[in-house]
Amino acid sequence: QVQLMQSGPEVKRPGASVRVSCKTSGYTFSSYGITWVRQAPGQGLEWMGWISPQNGKTDYAEKFQERVTMTTDTSTTTGYMELRSLRADDTAVYFCARSKYSGYEEYWGQGSLVTVSS
Amino acid sequence: DIVMTQSPDSLALSLGERATINCKSSQSILYSSNNKNYLAWYQQKPGQPPKLLIYWASTRESGVPDRFSGSGSGTDFTLTISSLQAEDVALYYCQQYFGTPRTFGPGTRVEIK
Repeated sequence: QVQLMQSGPEVKRPGASVRVSCKTSGYTFSSYGITWVRQAPGQGLEWMGWISPQNGKTDYAEKFQERVTMTTDTSTTTGYMELRSLRADDTAVYFCARSKYSGYEEYWGQGSLVTVSS
Repeated sequence: DIVMTQSPDSLALSLGERATINCKSSQSILYSSNNKNYLAWYQQKPGQPPKLLIYWASTRESGVPDRFSGSGSGTDFTLTISSLQAEDVALYYCQQYFGTPRTFGPGTRVEIK
């Protein structure tokens, strides 16, 4: 069955970087993209971007363009999202999800809490 | 960016009642070449990731109970729960995947009265 398992919670200082991982299984990794979505405490869902494991093509939301890098490792079928220059308002649960570029998010990881605090 | 709005913000109904959630996009998300509406609905319960319920505006995801249905086209969409069950208490989000950034509605909270 399709599974996406994310890395554990992180606590970071303002200005630091965080990398969240998303280990996938149960499907052909290169056939689907990985989307990253975040959710601040008590808030709605915010799309951060998408990456194709097949060719590394990325599409980032303009809001994160300067601070985010999404990558994949096809040998381990894992996706990564790095967010730099963290601020307090980056405190959120970060989700990865499987999707086609022009598609919806079918399967989701469990979420990774990133807390930014001095 | 395509802005998604939802109404109401919340609703409280009795068990067995019909729940209707509306979603509106700031521009049409109907792709004329394939006549598909690029609209999905998700359910999210506390402490859990979103769960896909409906895609292409009206196609129910495998395993989703048939009391959930989606309708609409162009800019106006509806998620209907035909007979509200206790396990349907959750937040419901619409999302457009017509363009990037993909955008979500602000969510509608469904509760039992």
